[in-house]
Amino acid sequence: GAGVSQSPRYKVAKRGQDVALRCDPISGHVSLFWYQQALGQGPEFLTYFQNEAQLDKSGLPSDRFFAERPEGSVSTLKIQRTQQEDSAVYLCASSWAGVGGEKLFFGSGTQLSVL
Amino acid sequence: AQTVTQSQPEMSVQEAETVTLSCTYDTSESDYYLFWYKQPPSRQMILVIRQEAYKQQNATENRFSVNFQKAAKSFSLKISDSQLGDAAMYFCASNLYNNNDMRFGAGTRLTVKP
Repeated sequence: GAGVSQSPRYKVAKRGQDVALRCDPISGHVSLFWYQQALGQGPEFLTYFQNEAQLDKSGLPSDRFFAERPEGSVSTLKIQRTQQEDSAVYLCASSWAGVGGEKLFFGSGTQLSVL
Repeated sequence: AQTVTQSQPEMSVQEAETVTLSCTYDTSESDYYLFWYKQPPSRQMILVIRQEAYKQQNATENRFSVNFQKAAKSFSLKISDSQLGDAAMYFCASNLYNNNDMRFGAGTRLTVKP
């Protein structure tokens, strides 16, 4: 595709519901990143994939957060039993090789509101 | 660990004037990269400019330039001839040479007045 695509753009969930956020990276990009951006803050790293391998998940805030990229392209971020503190914009980014200093291409994010 | 600090929550500039956004960072590493990203209301982060720490020459991209002071761990962004389309949130970020954990500052909201 022309860019990184994320869906849905907005998601409202009741506390305790499970949600799944989708990221479709630029075709051919090896690396994929998830970030969480709270209101008025900068993005914070959640997790990183190189192809289908999840190489770093140190930023996931709890075991309720789970990410996968089974075929090395599309990725899904799942949040189980959502809490109000999970409300944020979730950004996905991809890059060609994922080496340090490489340009990241971002999607427009999914804004999650937990009521 | 890396930390990035942006001390200006909001800045404003008159159209066609010049504005400088500040950023400081802290790292014990010698090899790293620094970035400025722009985030318009569409939420899509767009790379504005990038600097490799080992390069002494300040990066420049058209109307955007940086003042990189490695010893002071300072990385400011200068926007010349400001345009209405420059209005956005600007985030300073860093990552290490061999690390994919990019750290962002809290951002500066830039307003451009016509």
